[in-house]
Amino acid sequence: AQRVTQPEKLLSVFKGAPVELKCNYSYSGSPELFWYVQYSRQRLQLLLRHISRESIKGFTADLNKGETSFHLKKPFAQEEDSAMYYCALSTGDNDMRFGAGTRLTVKP
Amino acid sequence: DAMVIQNPRYQVTQFGKPVTLSCSQTLNHNVMYWYQQKSSQAPKLLFHYYDKDFNNEADTPDNFQSRRPNTSFCFLDIRSPGLGDAAMYLCATSARRDRIYEQYFGPGTRLTVT
Repeated sequence: AQRVTQPEKLLSVFKGAPVELKCNYSYSGSPELFWYVQYSRQRLQLLLRHISRESIKGFTADLNKGETSFHLKKPFAQEEDSAMYYCALSTGDNDMRFGAGTRLTVKP
Repeated sequence: DAMVIQNPRYQVTQFGKPVTLSCSQTLNHNVMYWYQQKSSQAPKLLFHYYDKDFNNEADTPDNFQSRRPNTSFCFLDIRSPGLGDAAMYLCATSARRDRIYEQYFGPGTRLTVT
């Protein structure tokens, strides 16, 4: 069965420091992976998709099939990055499995 | 210009009293989803509609039902809410894009069961 694990419930960094939010998955097929973000009092929204290989708001994520990971990274965190981040896995069959989320706090 | 709208944002119901949550979308997406999210947990997919085709997750309790009368609207019916059904309920939509079903979420309805 497919599963998404985000080992850190809370992550706190100082402004300007690098940040990495970890995500590991288990799925025997070819996964489609996403990062979703939820800012305070806002709805859950897509941050980036692995297939797009894009950088959004300075964030990037690389799919490592050998380590079954899809960690989210940003070299210099900003205070406005403080939010709840969810890693999600889709098997392409109209489903989506979410991790439990990591709350990122960027301190001034 | 909200794209996925959920009403009400907060719903209080009594133990065992049926309740309906609603979701509407202006995106004309063919897939609509309902998730349950309890405190500090991952959103859990309950079911989804692909057009009119209903797809139930294997572990979704029978107490939860859904209706989709047209493309724009989808309802979540909880026939006999228990205290354990108190949660945030999220509606989402998606449309095909690069074979990947990117999802657009509503703001959620927080259900309290007294």
